[in-house]
Amino acid sequence: GQQLNQSPQSMFIQEGEDVSMNCTSSSIFNTWLWYKQEPGEGPVLLIALYKAGELTSNGRLTAQFGITRKDSFLNISASIPSDVGIYFCGGAGSYQLTFGKGTKLSVIP
Amino acid sequence: DVKVTQSSRYLVKRTGEKVFLECVQDMDHENMFWYRQDPGLGLRLIYFSYDVKMKEKGDIPEGYSVSREKKERFSLILESASTNQTSMYLCASSPRIAPDTQYFGPGTRLTVL
Repeated sequence: GQQLNQSPQSMFIQEGEDVSMNCTSSSIFNTWLWYKQEPGEGPVLLIALYKAGELTSNGRLTAQFGITRKDSFLNISASIPSDVGIYFCGGAGSYQLTFGKGTKLSVIP
Repeated sequence: DVKVTQSSRYLVKRTGEKVFLECVQDMDHENMFWYRQDPGLGLRLIYFSYDVKMKEKGDIPEGYSVSREKKERFSLILESASTNQTSMYLCASSPRIAPDTQYFGPGTRLTVL
């Protein structure tokens, strides 16, 4: 099956710092999605990307769909304590989404 | 806003019991999905449905069945619960025009004793 590699697995950053995480795949995807999950809750959709090269922002979050269609990154600028959580990427070529294992973000005030 | 709700946030059942997990979405989405989420294993697809009364197996359907009698409702059934089915269960839905753009519910934390 399709595999997604998400990195880093975890990050500890100071409040106010920028954050970058990425996902890579051996397969080509038509859609890239980024989710945030807080403890005990379901994933919340942050950004959806549908075209290679697409760069999309949602507040302090920016994500890009890689030109090769095999990767995507998510940037968070000026991090705040409520950014804490696990961020998942998802890549899709059909009905089924393949998910990364997540990046656990901790923000130190 | 898309709203996906799940019938219970926490559930405790005994081995051998029949368990029903209910999911309802209010956005008239055609597609609905059931996942389980386990530490170190990530999200794994159990079953999905792209229309009423239609169902397709995902990656780990063994020990589970599903029912989609109405468009807005998708049920996951554990015929005889086992301890290895202790997990976080997540329901999601997506529209036909963007089938990969899935919206998740809050999850049901199921413990089987």
